[in-house]
Amino acid sequence: AQSVTQPDIHITVSEGASLELRCNYSYGATPYLFWYVQSPGQGLQLLLKYFSGDTLVQGIKGFEAEFKRSQSSFNLRKPSVHWSDAAEYFCAVGPQNSGYSTLTFGKGTMLLVSP
Amino acid sequence: NAGVTQTPKFQVLKTGQSMTLQCAQDMNHNSMYWYRQDPGMGLRLIYYSASEGTTDKGEVPNGYNVSRLNKREFSLRLESAAPSQTSVYFCASRGTGPNSPLHFGNGTRLTVT
Repeated sequence: AQSVTQPDIHITVSEGASLELRCNYSYGATPYLFWYVQSPGQGLQLLLKYFSGDTLVQGIKGFEAEFKRSQSSFNLRKPSVHWSDAAEYFCAVGPQNSGYSTLTFGKGTMLLVSP
Repeated sequence: NAGVTQTPKFQVLKTGQSMTLQCAQDMNHNSMYWYRQDPGMGLRLIYYSASEGTTDKGEVPNGYNVSRLNKREFSLRLESAAPSQTSVYFCASRGTGPNSPLHFGNGTRLTVT
């Protein structure tokens, strides 16, 4: 069965510093991979996704993520964090060509941004 | 463009009461989903509907029923609420094709006492 691990429950980053949020997955083949962001009181918004091809994917709000098959990872990065990036971030994995009915979400990482 | 609209935003129920959570999307999407979000658990799929007229169980369907009323609307019903169903419920929809992302509503926060 597929699974997703986000090892960090909380991360605090200074405004302007770089950010990396970790995501490891377990799946037998190449999966679909996603990062979502959730602001307080809001639903989840898609930041970026990986389906195939270039392993470095660009998303909205200046985020990027790199798929590393050998490490079963899909870490999210941003070069310079803004206070508005404070939110909860979810990694998700799903098998290719099976629809979103089998999408599995990680438990989330809460990002706090200090002045 | 409203996207995915959920009502109500908040609800408090007593154990044993019933209620229906409403969800509507205006993006002409075929697929719709109900998730619950609990602290430290991420999102878990309750039910989904791949197209109008079809529904299927997800990971945690017990205690819930759903209705895909038409292409726009997908409701979630709790027949006899239990404290274990205290959660935040999210409805989502997506179009066809693998590049179509999930679009989420803003959630319904349900407390069962």
